[in-house]
Amino acid sequence: DAGVIQSPRHEVTEMGQEVTLRCKPISGHDYLFWYRQTMMRGLELLIYFNNNVPIDDSGMPEDRFSAKMPNASFSTLKIQPSEPRDSAVYFCASSSWDRVGNTIYFGEGSWLTVV
Amino acid sequence: QQPVQSPQAVILREGEDAVINCSSSKALYSVHWYRQKHGEAPVFLMILLKGGEQKGHEKISASFNEKKQQSSLYLTASQLSYSGTYFCGTEGSLGAGGTSYGKLTFGQGTILTVHP
Repeated sequence: DAGVIQSPRHEVTEMGQEVTLRCKPISGHDYLFWYRQTMMRGLELLIYFNNNVPIDDSGMPEDRFSAKMPNASFSTLKIQPSEPRDSAVYFCASSSWDRVGNTIYFGEGSWLTVV
Repeated sequence: QQPVQSPQAVILREGEDAVINCSSSKALYSVHWYRQKHGEAPVFLMILLKGGEQKGHEKISASFNEKKQQSSLYLTASQLSYSGTYFCGTEGSLGAGGTSYGKLTFGQGTILTVHP
């Protein structure tokens, strides 16, 4: 079974430009998470969805960040306008509950550099 | 609040054992363990639930002390492939058996290096 698929894998953009990161969760998973990883702050949860509905977006840094999940197989994280401090690895992850909790599987990540 | 991991770094020779600890200041529903190699995604190793259920890789073992909100990951007979950064992720307990539904807060990571 395919894992979580993210695109682009690498993106270099200029400050002020719009960035859109894309994610396809594992089929059948009903939770989707967006995480950001930096050396300074580690792995931070930005937002998560359950059945396509945003449940908790308290980790979204500011209004420049937005996320959508129009259907069960696709989500986007958008940064507009982008700033150098947004440079990080953005991971999408998905999960579903089973008898032993909620195992979360990560995608390969989108490496974003804003210059 | 972020869980605290210890030690921050461990250096081993192949075949040696290691223990990585994770401690939280809040009541926990579950603890998740992941390993991340440089430039790669975190990979699931283990999940431990309040009440004793657990799931994970055969060669990995871990414990979860619910009263102390602590978990430990045990790496025995280490191999070169065990090198990487290990993260614990904690899922808060909301009382009455409820959880924060997979909302994990990750520790700062423990860097494990295994030498031949």
